[in-house]
Amino acid sequence: DQQVKQNSPSLSVQEGRISILNCDYTNSMFDYFLWYKKYPAEGPTFLISISSIKDKNEDGRFTVFLNKSAKHLSLHIVPSQPGDSAVYFCAASAYNTDKLIFGTGTRLQVFP
Amino acid sequence: DTGVSQNPRHKITKRGQNVTFRCDPISEHNRLYWYRQTLGQGPEFLTYFQNEAQLEKSRLLSDRFSAERPKGSFSTLEIQRTEQGDSAMYLCASSLEEGQGETQYFGPGTRLLVL
Repeated sequence: DQQVKQNSPSLSVQEGRISILNCDYTNSMFDYFLWYKKYPAEGPTFLISISSIKDKNEDGRFTVFLNKSAKHLSLHIVPSQPGDSAVYFCAASAYNTDKLIFGTGTRLQVFP
Repeated sequence: DTGVSQNPRHKITKRGQNVTFRCDPISEHNRLYWYRQTLGQGPEFLTYFQNEAQLEKSRLLSDRFSAERPKGSFSTLEIQRTEQGDSAMYLCASSLEEGQGETQYFGPGTRLLVL
């Protein structure tokens, strides 16, 4: 049972435009959500997070939106840069456990 | 200390051999996690420690796997009698307990190939 789903395995965006990566979850007990970026042969790098008491969090070019009623979150990157090309993972944790549950990732390619 | 470190970065072994991986967390972090990632999947939780206490273990962690954090600092993950299905990237992460919403910071991983 995949509790965190990233239904788009890949996304291609032109440099300077907005990248929108989506994530859906099924477990109502999740209360903290994170996005990680991963390059090949490296560990995931933390990007941005959001608590369930908020619906938006912004950090520079990265904004995460949370829609609790739809059990959906999204990561917006604007403007997109070629260096953003990587695999992006959505992850969630519940209040009664500290482990992260990850989605399967979305490969973002930003082309010039 | 610039982040989580893991050693070795790569390990090739023959089926049936034992392997041990080491993780050094960010120095002030009291929580340490182990995850496993296979191709096309996100990281999957294996186990975690708060200080030296192992608080949770996944069903993925068969009895061939054992993890320790003897002094609440570095941790080791040992796989006994390795199988080809153990081939994966083994990731370590650490965090500082802060109540709700801890951010886990990952190391570079150890890539294991079992022949």
